[in-house]
Amino acid sequence: DAGVIQSPRHEVTEMGQEVTLRCKPISGHDYLFWYRQTMMRGLELLIYFNNNVPIDDSGMPEDRFSAKMPNASFSTLKIQPSEPRDSAVYFCASSSGPKYNEQFFGPGTRLTVL
Amino acid sequence: GQQVMQIPQYQHVQEGEDFTTYCNSSTTLSNIQWYKQRPGGHPVFLIQLVKSGEVKKQKRLTFQFGEAKKNSSLHITATQTTDVGTYFCAGPGTGKLIFGQGTTLQVKP
Repeated sequence: DAGVIQSPRHEVTEMGQEVTLRCKPISGHDYLFWYRQTMMRGLELLIYFNNNVPIDDSGMPEDRFSAKMPNASFSTLKIQPSEPRDSAVYFCASSSGPKYNEQFFGPGTRLTVL
Repeated sequence: GQQVMQIPQYQHVQEGEDFTTYCNSSTTLSNIQWYKQRPGGHPVFLIQLVKSGEVKKQKRLTFQFGEAKKNSSLHITATQTTDVGTYFCAGPGTGKLIFGQGTTLQVKP
């Protein structure tokens, strides 16, 4: 059974470029979460969806970040334009209801913005 | 806002020694979850505790939920090098799961 799938696993880009991170949640899960992890700030929740609808995006740092979930099996997190301070590991996680159930994390995307 | 605090932030132990990490919430929790993240890996769910005073064991790992449901602990007996990683607790917050900052365990062989 495939777990949460994320792509790319590593991304190196230059400041100002657009970055798109992709996530495929576990089939049947109705919650999807995007997290960012850095040494300084730890694990931060950026946004989460329930049944493809964004519920809480209060963790999204600024307007440069946007996330979509066009269907139950796909989500994207976009950064435009990217900045060096966006360098981090971005995790996607999914879970099945109720809301506070166990979360299954993907392997993460390590983003480096030069 | 609600906070979930973990101590210590880092712990170095000799292989075979015991290890404990503590998790404290500013509010009463309906449940608490524990995750482990190996170096270079992703967080993996370990366990969920729901009842006041609950104690659960997984081999050498013992998890406790406080009587007031505001604190929890994870104790590892006789650590092994495979226990290396960061241990996170997480509790329900306002509409979302709040993760502690984690305790990173290093084990010297």
